[in-house]
Amino acid sequence: QKEVEQNSGPLSVPEGAIASLNCTYSDRGSQSFFWYRQYSGKSPELIMSIYSNGDKEDGRFTAQLNKASQYVSLLIRDSQPSDSATYLCAVQESGGSNYKLTFGKGTLLTVNP
Amino acid sequence: GAVVSQHPSRVICKSGTSVKIECRSLDFQATTMFWYRQFPKQSLMLMATSNEGSKATYEQGVEKDKFLINHASLTLSTLTVTSAHPEDSSFYICSASISLAKNIQYFGAGTRLSVL
Repeated sequence: QKEVEQNSGPLSVPEGAIASLNCTYSDRGSQSFFWYRQYSGKSPELIMSIYSNGDKEDGRFTAQLNKASQYVSLLIRDSQPSDSATYLCAVQESGGSNYKLTFGKGTLLTVNP
Repeated sequence: GAVVSQHPSRVICKSGTSVKIECRSLDFQATTMFWYRQFPKQSLMLMATSNEGSKATYEQGVEKDKFLINHASLTLSTLTVTSAHPEDSSFYICSASISLAKNIQYFGAGTRLSVL
């Protein structure tokens, strides 16, 4: 069974700090990786997608992928209170035609003013 | 672009009744739609995948006769929870993908179902 593991947290950082979120996955053949942000009571919102080893930056967010270690991370620079949410790591299965996502349980991030 | 509308946002029903949830892609044609369920403090669990014009593919452990999925057009999929029971109370979320970018899923706002 494909698994996606995240530290459940909560992760608490002060405003302006860097928040680091981590995720490991079990399916070595996975090709696509996503980070979603979910506010309480709301549906997930796509923040980043990454497909190749290395770093991908988008504004204050940087996703890092290491397929050899089956590890993907998200860094949030200059964290803001509005970044307080649960961050879900999602991995897309290899093969097939429906591109199913497997989600981790999420890491709750709290940014303190 | 890529807006997915889900309705209703919240529903409260009595045990034994059926509830229909709609998921619409507003500005694109969704070849594939996904239905998820999320219990409190848990992650999203995929219930089923539906392709327009064909029967839905259900994940292991999901009762197809209880959770009826219809994907009659490229912009509309419905999930009907039949004979709902309190244990079906959950947050149901749909997502849709575009044929030209199948790996990206766009999520609806979710439906909070409470069965009394």
